[in-house]
Amino acid sequence: GNSVTQMEGPVTLSEEAFLTINCTYTATGYPSLFWYVQYPGEGLQLLLKATKADDKGSNKGFEATYRKETTSFHLEKGSVQVSDSAVYFCAIIQGAQKLVFGQGTRLTINP
Amino acid sequence: DTEVTQTPKHLVMGMTNKKSLKCEQHMGHRAMYWYKQKAKKPPELMFVYSYEKLSINESVPSRFSPECPNSSLLNLHLHALQPEDSALYLCASSRLEGLDTIYFGEGSWLTVV
Repeated sequence: GNSVTQMEGPVTLSEEAFLTINCTYTATGYPSLFWYVQYPGEGLQLLLKATKADDKGSNKGFEATYRKETTSFHLEKGSVQVSDSAVYFCAIIQGAQKLVFGQGTRLTINP
Repeated sequence: DTEVTQTPKHLVMGMTNKKSLKCEQHMGHRAMYWYKQKAKKPPELMFVYSYEKLSINESVPSRFSPECPNSSLLNLHLHALQPEDSALYLCASSRLEGLDTIYFGEGSWLTVV
């Protein structure tokens, strides 16, 4: 079955540092790929998505590129802020409206 | 506007109570979902409604009873819950065409005492 493996957290960075959160997936065919973010005490918000190979999703300074050859969708941001502190979930969907989530990566940004 | 609205935001109920969680979306989405999320874990799918019909039930105990009165509304009726059912319950919706994005609400925090 489909699965998603995310970089284990927690991750702690200083403000303005470069961020990478690794995500790899296992699926047949061409799933759609997503990053969701969950701020403390809130629901999930869609951060970005990509629907086909080599697509780059971007939002709020975050980027991720759909790499079919390495089955990866790593999340990057060039300069993080304290407000980026949250839990980040990588997810894929392939048919039957079933999202498959990674375990989540808790990110803390210190001023 | 990608908004899924859930009420109540917080709910405390006893194990003998009957309560309901409500969800509404006005994006014209024909798929609606209930997810359950425990602390420090990803959301787990409970139910999926497609065109107001239950299409997926992930072996959820019968003390959770979903209902989809129309294409914009989704309810989750709760009865005789256990303390371990305390969690964040997330409603979501999406179009049914293709592998479309699933949009989540803010969630309802449920505590069973």
